[in-house]
Amino acid sequence: SQTIHQWPATLVQPVGSPLSLECTVEGTSNPNLYWYRQAAGRGLQLLFYSVGIGQISSEVPQNLSASRPQDRQFILSSKKLLLSDSGFYLCAWGGIETQYFGPGTRLLVL
Amino acid sequence: SQQGEEDPQALSIQEGENATMNCSYKTSINNLQWYRQNSGRGLVHLILIRSNEREKHSGRLRVTLDTSKKSSSLLITASRAADTASYFCATAPEGGWGKFQFGAGTQVVVTP
Repeated sequence: SQTIHQWPATLVQPVGSPLSLECTVEGTSNPNLYWYRQAAGRGLQLLFYSVGIGQISSEVPQNLSASRPQDRQFILSSKKLLLSDSGFYLCAWGGIETQYFGPGTRLLVL
Repeated sequence: SQQGEEDPQALSIQEGENATMNCSYKTSINNLQWYRQNSGRGLVHLILIRSNEREKHSGRLRVTLDTSKKSSSLLITASRAADTASYFCATAPEGGWGKFQFGAGTQVVVTP
């Protein structure tokens, strides 16, 4: 069966520091991968999606970036965090009918 | 922008009662899905209904879709305390491959 991992689970970072969140998927090949952000009490905002290694599409202009160095690895990064980057970050894999979500990373920027 | 909008924002019921929540959307869709999120966790897929379907059942869940009104409803029958969670609808726009639009969710609290 497929499993999706995210780490870290929780992260507290100062403004201006770099960020690296990692997502890995097991049990499937060439998955479509997604990064979402969820603000407190809100729905999910699609940030990036990827259909293959090195192929990244950005949905929202911001100071975040994403990379896919391996088939089942998806990384969300920032060179300098802003206060507004705080939120719950969710990685998902899937397609046009169903997406399967990881446990999420809660990021607090102070 | 969020296409799906859930109503109500919050719902408090007792065990055994039914819970109904609605979702409205703006553009043509391929399908609509409902997800559940327990506090601080990832989303779990509950049920999918395609644009050419009108009603679907899965266990205690019943979903309807009215494409003419661009709306969907999720009914949870005989609710349990374990159903306490936030429920989100997500729409898959036509031609918008995998780029789901999520609503802000309905927070459901089921008290014993």
